[in-house]
Amino acid sequence: EDQVTQSPEALRLQEGESSSLNCSYTVSGLRGLFWYRQDPGKGPEFLFTLYSAGEEKEKERLKATLTKKESFLHITAPKPEDSATYLCAVQVRGAGNMLTFGGGTRLMVKP
Amino acid sequence: NAGVTQTPKFQVLKTGQSMTLQCAQDMNHNSMYWYRQDPGMGLRLIYYSASEGTTDKGEVPNGYNVSRLNKREFSLRLESAAPSQTSVYFCASGGQTYTGELFFGEGSRLTVL
Repeated sequence: EDQVTQSPEALRLQEGESSSLNCSYTVSGLRGLFWYRQDPGKGPEFLFTLYSAGEEKEKERLKATLTKKESFLHITAPKPEDSATYLCAVQVRGAGNMLTFGGGTRLMVKP
Repeated sequence: NAGVTQTPKFQVLKTGQSMTLQCAQDMNHNSMYWYRQDPGMGLRLIYYSASEGTTDKGEVPNGYNVSRLNKREFSLRLESAAPSQTSVYFCASGGQTYTGELFFGEGSRLTVL
């Protein structure tokens, strides 16, 4: 069974304190891994797609990396506006257009 | 540009009642999806439609039906609501070249008493 596990469930940071969120996955054949951001009361918003081990993507203070078993979302010098829930999802070969999501990491950045 | 629009935003039902959640997208996307989100469970796929005229079951389809009315609209129906269907429902759409980039609506919060 395909599984996606995110850790930690919640993370509190001070403004400027860099850290990483983890997404580990167990799938039969990875087609792609995706990161989303979700603000309270809103739908998820797409951030990154990663297709192969070693690939990296960056956007402002966020950088996503991928290995054969996990992905990291690195947050450099976060600001309070980075507070949100970050979701990762995988697409598995042979599973059509379906995405399997992890439970998310709720990030809180205090000024 | 509205993107993905869901209605209603909030609904309270009694056990056994039926209702339909409506979703429309204005991005000319082929694929559309219905997810539910529960605390600690993440987003789970209920049904999806890869293109107009086709629908497929996702991870948790029991108790739901869908209709892909046309390319823009994809509705989700609860025929006989149960308390276990209390959740936040999200509709999403994706472009033809599938990159995992889904565009989500703002959600419909459903409570079944």
